[in-house]
Amino acid sequence: AQKVTQAQTEISVVEKEDVTLDCVYETRDTTYYLFWYKQPPSGELVFLIRRNSFDEQNEISGRYSWNFQKSTSSFNFTITASQVVDSAVYFCALSVPTISSNTGKLIFGQGTTLQVKP
Amino acid sequence: KAGVTQTPRYLIKTRGQQVTLSCSPISGHRSVSWYQQTPGQGLQFLFEYFSETQRNKGNFPGRFSGRQFSNSRSEMNVSTLELGDSALYLCASTRSGSRNEQFFGPGTRLTVL
Repeated sequence: AQKVTQAQTEISVVEKEDVTLDCVYETRDTTYYLFWYKQPPSGELVFLIRRNSFDEQNEISGRYSWNFQKSTSSFNFTITASQVVDSAVYFCALSVPTISSNTGKLIFGQGTTLQVKP
Repeated sequence: KAGVTQTPRYLIKTRGQQVTLSCSPISGHRSVSWYQQTPGQGLQFLFEYFSETQRNKGNFPGRFSGRQFSNSRSEMNVSTLELGDSALYLCASTRSGSRNEQFFGPGTRLTVL
């Protein structure tokens, strides 16, 4: 069975602090994809990053960085120097391609609500 | 390039009625997936369509159905609405041969009274 766990339900930080959102996944498949999405109050899910299971290279995009470790089945997301506009719900997701669908359904974690206070 | 559009954005129905939601994917995207988001169950996969064929389905009752048209636009239908069907319904589109990135629309907020 596939599963994504985001143990942190809510995180509150003060602007300019660094914050890390944890994500742990479970799958027996060797080929899979991991994602992070941001959901602001408007409701739309905004794509942030995609990683495949064969690429453990960490990635940095501006203030955002992601740490993928297969040994611990984790795909953590760090925001450096947080800003009020980063306040949102963040979802980690897993997808596994199948014979019928190379897209694969997204299996989401429960989400982490991040509040950045000024 | 226009993003994924969903109509209507808000909908209020009563128990027992049926509802149809519409999704227009990003131009050139042929795969459309639907998700239900509720406070209790979180984000759950409903189904995926590609070239007018359903190729993946989640664990939802038969009251939930969908279809895709030749222009890749998709509709989902929920019959005999129940209070528990109140949710945000999100549609996502994916370009064929892409890196599996699913781009989401703004969602349709359905309230069942």
